[in-house]
Amino acid sequence: KQEVTQIPAALSVPEGENLVLNCSFTDSAIYNLQWFRQDPGKGLTSLLLIQSSQREQTSGRLNASLDKSSGRSTLYIAASQPGDSATYLCAVRGDSGYALNFGKGTSLLVTP
Amino acid sequence: NAGVTQTPKFRILKIGQSMTLQCTQDMNHNYMYWYRQDPGMGLKLIYYSVGAGITDKGEVPNGYNVSRSTTEDFPLRLELAAPSQTSVYFCASSPWAGQQETQYFGPGTRLLVL
Repeated sequence: KQEVTQIPAALSVPEGENLVLNCSFTDSAIYNLQWFRQDPGKGLTSLLLIQSSQREQTSGRLNASLDKSSGRSTLYIAASQPGDSATYLCAVRGDSGYALNFGKGTSLLVTP
Repeated sequence: NAGVTQTPKFRILKIGQSMTLQCTQDMNHNYMYWYRQDPGMGLKLIYYSVGAGITDKGEVPNGYNVSRSTTEDFPLRLELAAPSQTSVYFCASSPWAGQQETQYFGPGTRLLVL
């Protein structure tokens, strides 16, 4: 059974800092890995999706990497802003089935 | 496009009551999913559908039922509500299930069973 772990559980940084969120998974037989953003009272928004054959994806100030062999992914946020404050979820889809296996998330607070 | 919409936003149920959580998408997506998110936990898949008339169980299907009579709608039925079903329920959809495709999520329904 795929287990997804996110570290740290919570993070508070001053505006402008670069930061890294970590995700680890136990089964390397994955189809893809995604990073989502969740705002309070709202649904999830997909930020980046990395296919199993890819090593990284970038969108604006966000960069996500994938190392399947070690079962790790990182989400790098450059020049953080207060608007980045949210919970960030890592989700792994196995190479059989349709379910996304989610971590518990990292709650990020960026202070002005 | 409204995307994925869910109703109601919040509901309180008494133990043993039943209700249907509604989910509609206007993106003509074939795949639809129901997840639940318990406090401080990751989302878990309850049921999914790969097209109208086709549904299948996910990781935590007990106590729930689904139907998919149209492409747009994927209601989730709770029979005999229990406190363990207190959670936030998210509906999601995707065009297909390709490696490069993400799932689009609705805003969620918060359910409290007392």
